[in-house]
Order: sequence, then structure tokens, then C-alpha cells
Amino acid sequence: EAQVTQNPRYLITVTGKKLTVTCSQNMNHEYMSWYRQDPGLGLRQIYYSMNVEVTDKGDVPEGYKVSRKEKRNFPLILESPSPNQTSLYFCASRPRGGYYTFGSGTRLTVV
Amino acid sequence: TQLLEQSPQFLSIQEGENLTVYCNSSSVFSSLQWYRQEPGEGPVLLVTVVTGGEVKKLKRLTFQFGDARKDSSLHITAAQPGDTGLYLCAGAQGWNNDMRFGAGTRLTVKP
Repeated sequence: EAQVTQNPRYLITVTGKKLTVTCSQNMNHEYMSWYRQDPGLGLRQIYYSMNVEVTDKGDVPEGYKVSRKEKRNFPLILESPSPNQTSLYFCASRPRGGYYTFGSGTRLTVV
Repeated sequence: TQLLEQSPQFLSIQEGENLTVYCNSSSVFSSLQWYRQEPGEGPVLLVTVVTGGEVKKLKRLTFQFGDARKDSSLHITAAQPGDTGLYLCAGAQGWNNDMRFGAGTRLTVKP
């Protein structure tokens, strides 16, 4: 089944403790993105990647890092999480010129 | 301010009613997509419109892309409780044709 898999689904952590949210797609898509979704603000792009080793900032990149060492994986790293990064995070992938397929989301709470 | 403004933000109607939601921008998009998101899941693509003035129908859902490719509407005929969800529009623009999302319209259809 074609899908985007992100883990974990739920995560509660403390301020300053580094964490990684993993994302993997099995559709051989070139583009991958990370979004955060907050009430009233919709989906805001954090980082995106157009291919292996090619990443760029989205609209809200501060406090986040990404890497794209393999085509299928696009992990999101929070080096020092803060409470304002409490949000619902989505990973998505798409082919060039196509539409995004989204993962099921990761609900992150930073206390 | 959002690149894409969706209205209304919330809509609660009775089963059988018709409704229209809007997605507006001052920017031109090469294509525009509508997604539906249910609680606990990622957005799922409903339709992509590409040509100015284009109209697409998906059963009881009718999508229209504005002539100037800056806005779009989604009309639902005889809404059903299964239509309940968050409707998101997303526009493609820029050199990499990546997607920017609106904040969404949260629709509730009561039986």
C-alpha cells in the first residue's frame, strides 16, 4: 500500500530534550515536506526537500532541522524543544508536479 | 496573514442543505487543490484544478477555479453527515511549484 509513515503518533517530552520524528514514504516521491498544524493557522510548512541532499526552509523553520540522506526518509529533528513547538505535525510526499500524500500525524506536547 | 484565505472558518448545517466554501488569494496559482481532513488523520486530496474557469464535479461536490487562477470555491449539494470534516485548499506557486495551505473550513453536518 502506498503510504507515508511517521512515528511516533503521540509524544510528550520536556523542554530542551532533543527528539526526532521519523517519516518514510514508499512511493519513490522526489518531494517531501514537514508541516505543523495549529488551530486557526492551518498547515504551515516547516521544511521541504526536492530530492536527496536537497532541503530548504519553509515558512516556519526556526527550531527545527531536517535531513534527506535517502529518498524515502525525511526525519524532523528538534534539537531543543520548547513549549511553543507543541503542535500536530504532518509529513507529506509528492511526485514532481503532483499532489501531496500525508502521513497520519504526530501530536507533540512539550512541557 | 495567510496567503490563502478560506471562508467561512466554521460552518454548521443540517443534513440535506447546500453549502459553498471559498478560498481566496491575491496571488496567482499554477494549480489549486482541495483536501479533506478528518480528526486524527492527515489531509486527503479531493481534487486538483489547473485551468482558469475550470469546474470539476465529484459526486455531490463541485469545485471551481477562478478565471484569474487566484480563487476557488467548493459547493456541496445535499450535505450528509459523512461530509463533516476540515476542508483545506492549497495553491501551487513559485519556482518549485510547492504548495501553500489555507487555514481551512471546519464543516459539521448534523443528522
